[in-house]
Amino acid sequence: GDSVTQMEGPVTLSEEAFLTINCTYTATGYPSLFWYVQYPGEGLQLLLKATKADDKGSNKGFEATYRKETTSFHLEKGSVQVSDSAVYFCALSDQSAGNQFYFGTGTSLTVIP
Amino acid sequence: DGGITQSPKYLFRKEGQNVTLSCEQNLNHDAMYWYRQDPGQGLRLIYYSQIVNDFQKGDIAEGYSVSREKKESFPLTVTSAQKNPTAFYLCASCEVGWTGELFFGEGSRLTVL
Repeated sequence: GDSVTQMEGPVTLSEEAFLTINCTYTATGYPSLFWYVQYPGEGLQLLLKATKADDKGSNKGFEATYRKETTSFHLEKGSVQVSDSAVYFCALSDQSAGNQFYFGTGTSLTVIP
Repeated sequence: DGGITQSPKYLFRKEGQNVTLSCEQNLNHDAMYWYRQDPGQGLRLIYYSQIVNDFQKGDIAEGYSVSREKKESFPLTVTSAQKNPTAFYLCASCEVGWTGELFFGEGSRLTVL
């Protein structure tokens, strides 16, 4: 079945450091891939998405490229800020699996000044 | 503004009581979902519905019930049969047959006293 595996946290970085959160997936069809962000006590918000191989999603300085050959969708940011502290979830949507969404376990990021 | 409204945001329940969490969306989405989130864990699917008057069990449906009498509403009842109901509950929606994202509400935190 479909699944998402992402890097376990927590991750602690200094402000302006480079961020990478790894995400790999298994899917039977041709999934769309997403990164969501969750701030304390809130719901999830879409950060970026990619719907086909080699697409790059980007938003607020974050980027992720849909790599079919390595079944990966790693999240990167060149210079993190304190305000980026949150939990990040990698997810996929596979229409061939009946409009289901599959989430990774989340990676907690703390950025210190 | 279009979105998903969950209520109440915080709820306390005594053991043995049923409680209903409300979820309303004005995005005109056909599909709606309920997820449970426990501290440090990912999202687990409780129930989902892709059309009015129809819904399916997710991975952890035991002790929960739902209804879908209207397109915009998908209430979740946490019954006394749910052994460990203290958690953060998230409602979400999306369009069926579309590679777009899942939209989330702000969540409801249920605490059993």
